[in-house]
Amino acid sequence: KQEVTQIPAALSVPEGENLVLNCSFTDSAIYNLQWFRQDPGKGLTSLLLIQSSQREQTSGRLNASLDKSSGRSTLYIAASQPGDSATYLCAVTSDMRFGAGTRLTVKP
Amino acid sequence: GAGVSQTPSNKVTEKGKYVELRCDPISGHTALYWYRQSLGQGPEFLIYFQGTGAADDSGLPNDRFFAVRPEGSVSTLKIQRTERGDSAVYLCASSLDPSHEQFFGPGTRLTVL
Repeated sequence: KQEVTQIPAALSVPEGENLVLNCSFTDSAIYNLQWFRQDPGKGLTSLLLIQSSQREQTSGRLNASLDKSSGRSTLYIAASQPGDSATYLCAVTSDMRFGAGTRLTVKP
Repeated sequence: GAGVSQTPSNKVTEKGKYVELRCDPISGHTALYWYRQSLGQGPEFLIYFQGTGAADDSGLPNDRFFAVRPEGSVSTLKIQRTERGDSAVYLCASSLDPSHEQFFGPGTRLTVL
């Protein structure tokens, strides 16, 4: 059974800093992996989807990478802003398995 | 176009009652997923529909939970004899097919007193 882990559980950084969120999964035979953002009391907003044949995807200040062989994905956020504060979730969506998320706080 | 919608947004019920939660997926999305999320946790998979049929219902916790999607569009999650432990946010998502992005609705917050 696929297990998805996100470390750290919480992260606080000053505005402007570049940061990396980590996601690991136990079964490398994945079809795709998706990163989401969740604001308090809200649903999930899709950020990036990486297919298993891809190594990375970029959208604006966000870059997600995928290394299937090591069972890892990272979400890189450049020049963080207070508006980036949220919980970031990764999911092996083809297995319908989510991590518990990383709660990010960007301080002005 | 419209995103995924869920009704009601909040539902408060008493232990032992029956509840129905509704999900309207994005038009044309054949795949529909139900998850539930407890505070501080990631979504937990319940059931996945491909068209009208439940392709994977392995996440349903017990036989009090049932879901239907009779016309391959709207889906209803049904919970019988609710228990306090069923309290959570129930999330619905849809995608063109399993290889595409999942898009989530705002969720239904269920509280069982």
